[in-house]
Amino acid sequence: DTGVSQDPRHKITKRGQNVTFRCDPISEHNRLYWYRQTLGQGPEFLTYFQNEAQLEKSRLLSDRFSAERPKGSFSTLEIQRTEQGDSAMYLCASSLATGTEQYFGPGTRLTVT
Amino acid sequence: AQSVAQPEDQVNVAEGNPLTVKCTYSVSGNPYLFWYVQYPNRGLQFLLKYITGDNLVKGSYGFEAEFNKSQTSFHLKKPSALVSDSALYFCAVSPPSGGSYIPTFGRGTSLIVHP
Repeated sequence: DTGVSQDPRHKITKRGQNVTFRCDPISEHNRLYWYRQTLGQGPEFLTYFQNEAQLEKSRLLSDRFSAERPKGSFSTLEIQRTEQGDSAMYLCASSLATGTEQYFGPGTRLTVT
Repeated sequence: AQSVAQPEDQVNVAEGNPLTVKCTYSVSGNPYLFWYVQYPNRGLQFLLKYITGDNLVKGSYGFEAEFNKSQTSFHLKKPSALVSDSALYFCAVSPPSGGSYIPTFGRGTSLIVHP
């Protein structure tokens, strides 16, 4: 069962550093989503792609955040000049273009010190 | 704007007893509704969804949920709880049009099933 995978699972970084996370979706899924989840909250939408096109971005996605999906397969989420408030679990999910339910990866836990 | 409320932070139930995890929503039009479960150190797993049709939908692991349009609710239920059902449960609502299917999640309810 090749589900959604994310790398790394954990990342500790110092404030001001840049970090990059990778997500590999289920291979036949056209849509890929990024969410942020903090303790005691549900996932909050950040951005989504259909194939390689980034179709929607949340207001949560400041200009320090950038996401790509260059070949319509894996995606990367980069955070520049990290801040302590960026500490969270970053979740990736994928779905079929015509589907509605999403399949989530295990997440990348970011700690900014 | 759409929103979801899960009024209980935690639900405690004895193994073998029925369980209910509550969810109410607010959205324009007819919603798409979902339940997901999150086990420790794992991603969210899809349990069930309501799109249209029968108000009672059945999902994975013996869970079901009842859509009530007049009460704008979508409560998750199971007739007989198992200790292994202990996890964090999230309700989510998507807008019914536009094609993006981007859900808004509730804050989650921690279900604890006691042996």
